[in-house]
Amino acid sequence: DVKVTQSSRYLVKRTGEKVFLECVQDMDHENMFWYRQDPGLGLRLIYFSYDVKMKEKGDIPEGYSVSREKKERFSLILESASTNQTSMYLCASSPGQGSSPLHFGNGTRLTVT
Amino acid sequence: KNEVEQSPQNLTAQEGEFITINCSYSVGISALHWLQQHPGGGIVSLFMLSSGKKKHGRLIATINIQEKHSSLHITASHPRDSAVYICARGAYNTDKLIFGTGTRLQVFP
Repeated sequence: DVKVTQSSRYLVKRTGEKVFLECVQDMDHENMFWYRQDPGLGLRLIYFSYDVKMKEKGDIPEGYSVSREKKERFSLILESASTNQTSMYLCASSPGQGSSPLHFGNGTRLTVT
Repeated sequence: KNEVEQSPQNLTAQEGEFITINCSYSVGISALHWLQQHPGGGIVSLFMLSSGKKKHGRLIATINIQEKHSSLHITASHPRDSAVYICARGAYNTDKLIFGTGTRLQVFP
């Protein structure tokens, strides 16, 4: 079974801090995704990576950056955390063959105070 | 207007009831996904379908491509089915999905 592991379940940070959210998958998947989930809005794509060092902006990339130095690891970076980035963050991966199921991590609930 | 609309937003049921959750979308798709999210937060993929019907245990997913509509049915519902059910549409040549806002289901004993 594919395992997607997010480094933290809960995180509390202060406004202005630099925040790193880490995600690791163990199935050699090409694609990795970072989503945020807010009540009433569903999951929204922040960034997407289709290969090592390759990335593509999603629907809401402002205030975020990403890093994919190795195939199995996809990091989401909040350069200067703000209160409106308080949210549930979900990482996902997929094989990259088009129209394949996504495999999700358990999520990181980030609170920025 | 969201590209993927789900109804109802919230649903309560008694154990044993038959449940239907609906999903409609506005553009052509490569596949329609149904996912389940339990209170802990993790999301699992239930179905991916591009035509007809799929069944897994007590869960059945159907899709009507012409009407751009899909349904998720749960037969003989159980309290452990309580979760948020999310529908998402896929596009051709990409694994990126567009998600609905989810249906929160609570099944009471």
